[in-house]
Amino acid sequence: SQQGEEDPQALSIQEGENATMNCSYKTSINNLQWYRQNSGRGLVHLILIRSNEREKHSGRLRVTLDTSKKSSSLLITASRAADTASYFCATDSGTASKLTFGTGTRLQVTL
Amino acid sequence: DTAVSQTPKYLVTQMGNDKSIKCEQNLGHDTMYWYKQDSKKFLKIMFSYNNKELIINETVPNRFSPKSPDKAHLNLHINSLELGDSAVYFCASRPIQGGAGELFFGEGSRLTVL
Repeated sequence: SQQGEEDPQALSIQEGENATMNCSYKTSINNLQWYRQNSGRGLVHLILIRSNEREKHSGRLRVTLDTSKKSSSLLITASRAADTASYFCATDSGTASKLTFGTGTRLQVTL
Repeated sequence: DTAVSQTPKYLVTQMGNDKSIKCEQNLGHDTMYWYKQDSKKFLKIMFSYNNKELIINETVPNRFSPKSPDKAHLNLHINSLELGDSAVYFCASRPIQGGAGELFFGEGSRLTVL
């Protein structure tokens, strides 16, 4: 079964608005990563947050991690049409380099 | 220049056939993976190799056989293809086994079984 469950499954916003996606997972982790997948393309790494970190920023991305609740969120500020993609969280539990992906959130940013 | 390259990008074949997908990475990474993404976009790990040695083998039918001739290549051979094998297969690599690094993905190989 999937390690991570993401919500919402789909999100539609207008350009300039913020987009927040949430990820919940089940077991302890070493780190949690977020990836973006444009339609018909491979996944691209966005940001990694370690289990001892609570918040991390990268450009317009802000990631939080709450290990007590086993949850993470990805915030994209001032969204652009080019942010339209599917976003996946992935957990690294340190087991044989295994990275387990969530169910993904499809983000649509309209002009 | 492509870091992780997969061939072919598209593959259409009949049930019962045997097919292979090839993957090469020029990043010098030690660990390579095969993931399967189904029609609902669920990504599931299939195999992982570290420096030519199999380290992860999820519950995948033995019709699927990975082969790693060297640490830069990880190929996937599928025997007796079934309709349910239709999916996008992604190859990925990572610098060091057990390291906390990111995965680098190829562009995917879309397999359609008719």
